[in-house]
Amino acid sequence: GENVEQHPSTLSVQEGDSAVIKCTYSDSASNYFPWYKQELGKGPQLIIDIRSNVGEKKDQRIAVTLNKTAKHFSLHITETQPEDSAVYFCAALRGSARQLTFGSGTQLTVLP
Amino acid sequence: EPEVTQTPSHQVTQMGQEVILRCVPISNHLYFYWYRQILGQKVEFLVSFYNNEISEKSEIFDDQFSVERPDGSNFTLKIRSTKLEDSAMYFCASSESITGELFFGEGSRLTVL
Repeated sequence: GENVEQHPSTLSVQEGDSAVIKCTYSDSASNYFPWYKQELGKGPQLIIDIRSNVGEKKDQRIAVTLNKTAKHFSLHITETQPEDSAVYFCAALRGSARQLTFGSGTQLTVLP
Repeated sequence: EPEVTQTPSHQVTQMGQEVILRCVPISNHLYFYWYRQILGQKVEFLVSFYNNEISEKSEIFDDQFSVERPDGSNFTLKIRSTKLEDSAMYFCASSESITGELFFGEGSRLTVL
């Protein structure tokens, strides 16, 4: 089955700096890669996603890049703000299957 | 903004008891899911449900688990005889289509004593 590895497990940045979180996946048939933000006591909330037919997608301060050959994808947050502090999860999904396989999460702390 | 709602937010139960976790998916969504997250661990897929039947299930979803859509709005997860290791946060999710975004609820925390 699919295996998703996520690094780092914790990340602290100064407000205004950029944050990068990286994930690798094992199943070359995976073709959908969402990123979720989870705030304390809440469910995962989709912040951005990318499908395997594109290499990069951007939404304001958030961007995701995908390297299918290397089977890794990354989340980039620019101009970080304290409200970006949360746990971020990457995930991968194969074809028409609806089993999202999640990474282990990254606790991002943005220091004011 | 439409959202997935879950009840209860927290349930404490004794080992061996039956538990039902309830979810109200987004109204025009057709695909429903349960995931769980043991404290400090990854979010794990349990089951997907479409057209009143299970589409896929993981190894975790054994005979102790069942899902049901008893009416047009609710989607439930039943654990027949809870074990200590069932203690986790259970998330319901729904999507409009098989390729659509999954919207997650805020979770039901289950504590088995």
